Amino acid sequence: KNQVEQSPQSLIILEGKNCTLQCNYTVSPFSNLRWYKQDTGRGPVSLTIMTFSENTKSNGRYTATLDADTKQSSLHITASQLSDSASYICVVSGSRRNDMRFGAGTRLTVKP
Amino acid sequence: EAGVAQSPRYKIIEKRQSVAFWCNPISGHATLYWYQQILGQGPKLLIQFQNNGVVDDSQLPKDRFSAERLKGVDSTLKIQPAKLEDSAVYLCASSSDREITGELFFGEGSRLTVL
Repeated sequence: KNQVEQSPQSLIILEGKNCTLQCNYTVSPFSNLRWYKQDTGRGPVSLTIMTFSENTKSNGRYTATLDADTKQSSLHITASQLSDSASYICVVSGSRRNDMRFGAGTRLTVKP
Repeated sequence: EAGVAQSPRYKIIEKRQSVAFWCNPISGHATLYWYQQILGQGPKLLIQFQNNGVVDDSQLPKDRFSAERLKGVDSTLKIQPAKLEDSAVYLCASSSDREITGELFFGEGSRLTVL
């Protein structure tokens, strides 16, 4: 079983709407959690990174939250744009700095 | 700052043929990773290098996959012979040991299609 589960698998929203993507993990001990955006045909690009002591981090219209007690994170996208259409991947790092577990991603489509 | 460079971007081969991918990490990044990303899935680590030494290759199918990082800079990933299930995007990433969070910087990927 994957130690990082993302939901939903895919999501379609209208331009201008908000949406929230979920990431649940079982990785323990926990070091940090990152959200990446991957445009079609491109490599993933980092959006946010949070350590266990942080519970929210913003990057423009992207806001990530973390609840280390329940081992859940969410990525909230405000006022979506067509360019937000991409896959969003949650990555959780364990005790070793380079021990990273990837989620399968959520495929977001923003329609005009 | 130049990003992670990968080539070729696309490659189509027939099963049982061989293929090689090249990666040039960000200058000064000691750690280099190769990931395999099958359509609709998250990246799966194949091999991790620290300078020119292998840190983790536990998920590398060593009967057909090989990778090297001579001189601790560029790296090549080879598949020989290729199978249909090797069709995927091969992502190279690098990180700096000086950066506490170990931020990963990915290349654009090399898309392999095995017919």
